[in-house]
Amino acid sequence: GAGVSQSPSNKVTEKGKDVELRCDPISGHTALYWYRQSLGQGLEFLIYFQGNSAPDKSGLPSDRFSAERTGGSVSTLTIQRTQQEDSAVYLCASRGLTGELFFGEGSRLTVL
Amino acid sequence: AQRVTQPEKLLSVFKGAPVELKCNYSYSGSPELFWYVQYSRQRLQLLLRHISRESIKGFTADLNKGETSFHLKKPFAQEEDSAMYYCALAGSSNTGKLIFGQGTTLQVKP
Repeated sequence: GAGVSQSPSNKVTEKGKDVELRCDPISGHTALYWYRQSLGQGLEFLIYFQGNSAPDKSGLPSDRFSAERTGGSVSTLTIQRTQQEDSAVYLCASRGLTGELFFGEGSRLTVL
Repeated sequence: AQRVTQPEKLLSVFKGAPVELKCNYSYSGSPELFWYVQYSRQRLQLLLRHISRESIKGFTADLNKGETSFHLKKPFAQEEDSAMYYCALAGSSNTGKLIFGQGTTLQVKP
């Protein structure tokens, strides 16, 4: 595709439910990142995938958060037992050859 | 610890006025710094990076290692510059992982 694609663009869920957010990076980009964007918090790093290496999970805020990347392409971020403080925009990015990060449009999560 | 600080949440100027968006960083090695911008209803995108030493859309940013700063400047602001601006620091692990500041909203009034 032309850019990083994320789905859903908007998700409203009830507290305690699980959610899955999907990211389809730019074809050929081996590095993929998840960030969380919330008011007053800026952009918070969550997790990073590079090829077949073990992911850098150092930014995941709790064990309710997990992510996987299958086949070195599409990634899914899963949030279990969602809480209201999980409400944010979740951004995915992939890295080009020059080191520039290309971001998707984000998935806006609202936990009621 | 690696940290990026953008002290202003909102910066409001009139069209034609000079603009300076402040960014300070904390990093023990040789930093690689970036400015990313998000216009209304658009995705976050790279504006400029310090190693390129280029001017993009009239914006420049100079790395000052003594003051650990990477302020973004433009001599004459335009209404279309209104956006959210993020300063970012590449981490030490050479992963390309970026540490972002909290962002500054620039509002350019007519």
